[in-house]
Amino acid sequence: NAGVTQTPKFRILKIGQSMTLQCAQDMNHNYMYWYRQDPGMGLKLIYYSVGAGITDKGEVPNGYNVSRSTTEDFPLRLELAAPSQTSVYFCASRHRGTTRGETQYFGPGTRLLVL
Amino acid sequence: GEDVEQSLFLSVREGDSSVINCTYTDSSSTYLYWYKQEPGAGLQLLTYIFSNMDMKQDQRLTVLLNKKDKHLSLRIADTQTGDSAIYFCAESINTGRRALTFGSGTRLQVQP
Repeated sequence: NAGVTQTPKFRILKIGQSMTLQCAQDMNHNYMYWYRQDPGMGLKLIYYSVGAGITDKGEVPNGYNVSRSTTEDFPLRLELAAPSQTSVYFCASRHRGTTRGETQYFGPGTRLLVL
Repeated sequence: GEDVEQSLFLSVREGDSSVINCTYTDSSSTYLYWYKQEPGAGLQLLTYIFSNMDMKQDQRLTVLLNKKDKHLSLRIADTQTGDSAIYFCAESINTGRRALTFGSGTRLQVQP
């Protein structure tokens, strides 16, 4: 199993540009999450999904959109990039039940710089 | 509300024990976790504890949970230079989304 994969690893965007951060998992997990990590801070929840076709907002959803058309994929869309979106983005997934204490498995992250 | 706090920095000598502390505010936490993040890398789960437990030991790691004071600690025995990293405390709350609330992380520096 590859686990949780994210692409790209690093991207520079100009203000106002759009991009999609890709996330995929091959563990057949129902739950998937997008977090952002600002320098020196913990992770904040952007969006989450409890299954294909079901998504909902987290703590910091403004400026982002998500979709979940399959169990495996959970892309994050930035429509109009702003400098405040400079961050490291982590995707995570977990099984529905209490397997391993509801552990979330994280991808390696996408580092985004908006100039 | 959800809030998780950690001290920012800890420095220890190789071979000593490290103790990283965390406080949380939400009494409906179901699980509490410790994640490790090395520079430029993702988050690696170290261990977790269910909220009705007081202690959990896993090789060099010991987790202590004081529910009354909402205090969680991670003890690393015989700390090695490879343990240098940022350690995040996180809680999972009994809501539908079961997302994690993270502290800001404690940077552990291990001096040879």
